[in-house]
Amino acid sequence: KAGVTQTPRYLIKTRGQQVTLSCSPISGHRSVSWYQQTPGQGLQFLFEYFSETQRNKGNFPGRFSGRQFSNSRSEMNVSTLELGDSALYLCASSLEGRVGELFFGEGSRLTVL
Amino acid sequence: DQQVKQNSPSLSVQEGRISILNCDYTNSMFDYFLWYKKYPAEGPTFLISISSIKDKNEDGRFTVFLNKSAKHLSLHIVPSQPGDSAVYFCAASEYGGATNKLIFGTGTLLAVQP
Repeated sequence: KAGVTQTPRYLIKTRGQQVTLSCSPISGHRSVSWYQQTPGQGLQFLFEYFSETQRNKGNFPGRFSGRQFSNSRSEMNVSTLELGDSALYLCASSLEGRVGELFFGEGSRLTVL
Repeated sequence: DQQVKQNSPSLSVQEGRISILNCDYTNSMFDYFLWYKKYPAEGPTFLISISSIKDKNEDGRFTVFLNKSAKHLSLHIVPSQPGDSAVYFCAASEYGGATNKLIFGTGTLLAVQP
């Protein structure tokens, strides 16, 4: 069974640009969550989607957005990139009813110069 | 404001001994707690969870203890094995496990020495 797949794995952007990250959940998982991991802050919740609806949102500015498609695949977008957005962005999927038990991808490492 | 705190950045234990990883939380609304393990270059992996209605949950070598009055959570690994060397994160939720909005601690790096 394939795990959670995130693309791209690594990317470098400059300040002011925008970026889109993609996540394909495990087959049968309809919930997708996104987390930002930085050395100082650890893992911070960005948002959660279930059946194409945002179910929950963390305390991030509006520059961070996401969506989920009918096949449960998800994307997140960060506009007007800032240096502080450099981080590992992790996507996780879960089965309904097993909430909190997340299966994480390997992450997308974003560097903003 | 760190609602979930892991005050020990690192821990070193001999193989075969017990590893105890600690976690404190400040939000009394948290009612579901989890532990994750993370190897380098991999995403975190779910280990074990506990609901606030319990004070202990076991799964093989892993046991999680919850002390609600002290707002303290601990993970015991017995016996510790070199393959357990990883970063361990505790996480909490205030929605009874009905959401994937988890608040994570900053992690503890466990090194199990052969």
